[in-house]
Amino acid sequence: GQQLNQSPQSMFIQEGEDVSMNCTSSSIFNTWLWYKQDPGEGPVLLIALYKAGELTSNGRLTAQFGITRKDSFLNISASIPSDVGIYFCAGQPSLGYQGGKLIFGQGTELSVKP
Amino acid sequence: DTEVTQTPKHLVMGMTNKKSLKCEQHMGHRAMYWYKQKAKKPPELMFVYSYEKLSINESVPSRFSPECPNSSLLNLHLHALQPEDSALYLCASSHRDSSGYEQYFGPGTRLTVT
Repeated sequence: GQQLNQSPQSMFIQEGEDVSMNCTSSSIFNTWLWYKQDPGEGPVLLIALYKAGELTSNGRLTAQFGITRKDSFLNISASIPSDVGIYFCAGQPSLGYQGGKLIFGQGTELSVKP
Repeated sequence: DTEVTQTPKHLVMGMTNKKSLKCEQHMGHRAMYWYKQKAKKPPELMFVYSYEKLSINESVPSRFSPECPNSSLLNLHLHALQPEDSALYLCASSHRDSSGYEQYFGPGTRLTVT
């Protein structure tokens, strides 16, 4: 089946540092979504991307829909302790898309040292 | 408002019990989803309802029985579960189940089967 490769799997950074994570696929996607999940809570949608090349910001977060439509990245600037959590990318593939079935990356676990 | 609510927050049940999980959204979304999530793993799709009709069943065992009484409500009936069914159960909704619509998740129900 289709898979998303998300990297890195985990990051340990100092407060104030910038963070970058990405997702890649071997097939073309129509939509890229980035979620953050705190322990014991549901994923919260951070940014949604719908067009190749689209660059979207949400506060200190910036995400881009890759021009090839096979990748996306998420940047967090000036990290703070509350950025701790697991970040998931998710996408809707262009071909063979079953209604509502998102393809998820394996997640990036972010730890921030004060 | 992008709120999906789920009850209960926590549930402990024995293998012979029958219980139900409930999900509600008032965003006018016509697609609703049940996911199962193990610790630090991405959510796994179980069921998709589109316009109150079951559209996707990801080969889920019959001890899980979904129900969509109306466009705002989604239930998951549980019976004769196994300890390996212990997980975080997430409900999500989107405007439609077609490509181009982001999914919003609820806070989840933490289920423990003893």
